Amino acid sequence: AQKVTQAQTEISVVEKEDVTLDCVYETRDTTYYLFWYKQPPSGELVFLIRRNSFDEQNEISGRYSWNFQKSTSSFNFTITASQVVDSAVYFCALSEAGGGAQKLVFGQGTRLTINP
Amino acid sequence: DAGITQSPRHKVTETGTPVTLRCHQTENHRYMYWYRQDPGHGLRLIHYSYGVKDTDKGEVSDGYSVSRSKTEDFLLTLESATSSQTSVYFCAISDVGGNTEAFFGQGTRLTVV
Repeated sequence: AQKVTQAQTEISVVEKEDVTLDCVYETRDTTYYLFWYKQPPSGELVFLIRRNSFDEQNEISGRYSWNFQKSTSSFNFTITASQVVDSAVYFCALSEAGGGAQKLVFGQGTRLTINP
Repeated sequence: DAGITQSPRHKVTETGTPVTLRCHQTENHRYMYWYRQDPGHGLRLIHYSYGVKDTDKGEVSDGYSVSRSKTEDFLLTLESATSSQTSVYFCAISDVGGNTEAFFGQGTRLTVV
């Protein structure tokens, strides 16, 4: 069975600090997708990134970066120079690959608070 | 933003009553999903649909049924609501092909008293 673990329930940092959110996953599939979603206080789920299991290249998008390591089954998310607007709950998720239904298995979420 | 509308957005109901939540999409996506969000559990898949009249169970399907009579509508029914079904319910859609992500609706907060 697939499983995603986000061990950090809550993180609180001061604005401009760098922060890393951890995500560890379990799957027997050889190909799969990994995702990060953001849930701001307004409640909607915002897609941030999708990564294919065969693509271990790290990705950077502005202040956001993602580190995918198959050897440790981890897909960590770093926010550089955090801002108050980054305060949200962040979810890591996993789905099987292929062109079919995208049944997501979510982690428990990490509540990130950025203090001014 | 993806065209997904959930209704109602908030509902309070009594234990034992039937409840139906509606998800409507304007994207013509093939797949539709219902998730529930609870503290400490993240989101968990209840049911999903891969076409009109084609549905399947997810991880936490007990106590729920679904129907999809049109591509654009996916209904979630609690036949007899219980307090353990108090939750925030999210509908999601995705299209065919591997290079796609799921888009989520705004959520429905359901309280069973």
